[in-house]
Amino acid sequence: KAGVTQTPRYLIKTRGQQVTLSCSPISGHRSVSWYQQTPGQGLQFLFEYFSETQRNKGNFPGRFSGRQFSNSRSEMNVSTLELGDSALYLCASSLGEGLTEAFFGQGTRLTVV
Amino acid sequence: AQSVAQPEDQVNVAEGNPLTVKCTYSVSGNPYLFWYVQYPNRGLQFLLKYITGDNLVKGSYGFEAEFNKSQTSFHLKKPSALVSDSALYFCAVRDGGTNAGKSTFGDGTTLTVKP
Repeated sequence: KAGVTQTPRYLIKTRGQQVTLSCSPISGHRSVSWYQQTPGQGLQFLFEYFSETQRNKGNFPGRFSGRQFSNSRSEMNVSTLELGDSALYLCASSLGEGLTEAFFGQGTRLTVV
Repeated sequence: AQSVAQPEDQVNVAEGNPLTVKCTYSVSGNPYLFWYVQYPNRGLQFLLKYITGDNLVKGSYGFEAEFNKSQTSFHLKKPSALVSDSALYFCAVRDGGTNAGKSTFGDGTTLTVKP
């Protein structure tokens, strides 16, 4: 079956702009989580959605937001981009909460200039 | 709060030798522990997990990990390393006592296997 699909794979934006990233989970998976990966900070948890509800949120400013649709697809939005937002954004899907392992997409590489 | 420590940024081993990538964790409830591997320009791939049961967990590609509750460790091991095992490895923990959707990852350990 198809894996987790993230679009676009690469993005270049200017400071102050906003960006929307998309994630299509594995069919049947209802949980989607987002992570930011940078060389200096490692993998940082952004948020997790389950059945269209945000269940957990990491320590990121309000410029970072997300949502999940009824078909489990998820989007995350970053407004007023800063240079420090440059990172690989990873989406992970899983069947449900807790016990199940996550399946990661290849990520969206965001560069803010 | 939950946390994961991977004390080694880099592990170097010769092909055919055993390898160990270390991980220690801190969590208030029951620990759910995971290992993932990341190859260059790719997302993370699941290797194995510990939820409950036997302390020795076997996973993909010949990897295994040993859960040690008293030492709060979950070290990743493989009896005989391959050059193709060279990658970035992440340990992750979830707190089974709370809403367990949030995983906390370690900083990662780069494994290099030399021929």
